[in-house]
Amino acid sequence: QQPVQSPQAVILREGEDAVINCSSSKALYSVHWYRQKHGEAPVFLMILLKGGEQKGHDKISASFNEKKQQSSLYLTASQLSYSGTYFCGTEGTGTYKYIFGTGTRLKVLA
Amino acid sequence: GAVVSQHPSWVICKSGTSVKIECRSLDFQATTMFWYRQFPKQSLMLMATSNEGSKATYEQGVEKDKFLINHASLTLSTLTVTSAHPEDSSFYICSAPRTSGWSSYNEQFFGPGTRLTVL
Repeated sequence: QQPVQSPQAVILREGEDAVINCSSSKALYSVHWYRQKHGEAPVFLMILLKGGEQKGHDKISASFNEKKQQSSLYLTASQLSYSGTYFCGTEGTGTYKYIFGTGTRLKVLA
Repeated sequence: GAVVSQHPSWVICKSGTSVKIECRSLDFQATTMFWYRQFPKQSLMLMATSNEGSKATYEQGVEKDKFLINHASLTLSTLTVTSAHPEDSSFYICSAPRTSGWSSYNEQFFGPGTRLTVL
């Protein structure tokens, strides 16, 4: 079953922060985050493994709560280049199958 | 990072014809590859898992006779859309996982995608 992301869409002003959530109904082994620009393939942002991991680089970070089967992506001081659709990708425990979340469209305005 | 290529990047065909899309892992071997389809403003939906040397595993609702998958080698998987119709027009993306050297997690490497338009 496809992980559900919230919000579905968000509009920000440059410099504002945003949080994107990813929730799964199944146990997760790992969570990946991607950003996709229109007409292009998804670009890998980061991966989080089970164990309550948090990760980040530059002004984008993420957390993974395996007990709640949830992950959140944090975008701070957003830039125009952050615009795009964000997807979480999940790999379940004991499965090799890789499923994308429902997606969150993010638009950063100048 | 690892590179996955897709060919062609776009294709326009007439209704009823078949179209083959290739997915190659250029610098690593992939015993498994994934095929996704993405309609406008929607998420990527997993169609099937391509397994080298064995039959592909299709997701529920995906017609295996319509979307033929062949994983002939450790670096090549092909998706053939047979008797294509306008409703098959979509963005098709493949991915190949590669296990990290220091951990057991799989990082997915995506091809650039193929935009199929069926007239």
